[in-house]
Amino acid sequence: AQSVTQLGSHVSVSEGALVLLRCNYSSSVPPYLFWYVQYPNQGLQLLLKYTSAATLVKGINGFEAEFKKSETSFHLTKPSAHMSDAAEYFCAVSDPNTGNQFYFGTGTSLTVIP
Amino acid sequence: DGGITQSPKYLFRKEGQNVTLSCEQNLNHDAMYWYRQDPGQGLRLIYYSQIVNDFQKGDIAEGYSVSREKKESFPLTVTSAQKNPTAFYLCASSSRYRTQETQYFGPGTRLLVL
Repeated sequence: AQSVTQLGSHVSVSEGALVLLRCNYSSSVPPYLFWYVQYPNQGLQLLLKYTSAATLVKGINGFEAEFKKSETSFHLTKPSAHMSDAAEYFCAVSDPNTGNQFYFGTGTSLTVIP
Repeated sequence: DGGITQSPKYLFRKEGQNVTLSCEQNLNHDAMYWYRQDPGQGLRLIYYSQIVNDFQKGDIAEGYSVSREKKESFPLTVTSAQKNPTAFYLCASSSRYRTQETQYFGPGTRLLVL
């Protein structure tokens, strides 16, 4: 079965600083990987996804993520944090062996300090 | 506007009562999903449906039931057998039940027990 690990349930950065949210997955086959953002009491919004094309994926709101097969990682980054980036971020993996069942990490709450 | 709607936004359940959460989509998507979200646990799959008149159990189906009589609708019933129903429930859909397909989420329903 797939699993997703998000290191750091809470991350704080200063406004304008680099954002780095970590995601590692376990998979015996190349997976498809997704990052979602959730604002309080709302649904999840897709930030970006990796589907075996370019390993560096650009998403909305200035976020990007790099797929590193050797490290089984798909970390999310943004060069300069804005106050509006404060939210919960979820990494998800879709296993080609199980159709479109998504496996979600436990989430990382990002706080941006003014 | 195309999207996924969930109602109600908040729902209160009394002991021994069944309650039904509504999920409607006008994206013409074949596949639909129900997730449960608890603090610190990420999202867990309750049920999914690949196509009309078909649905499958997810990882935590006990105490829940669904139907898929129309393509656009996938209601979830939380039965009295679900002993700990307090959670945030999210409905999602994807164009097809295939690994690389993005899942799009509704705004969620928060269920509370009186």
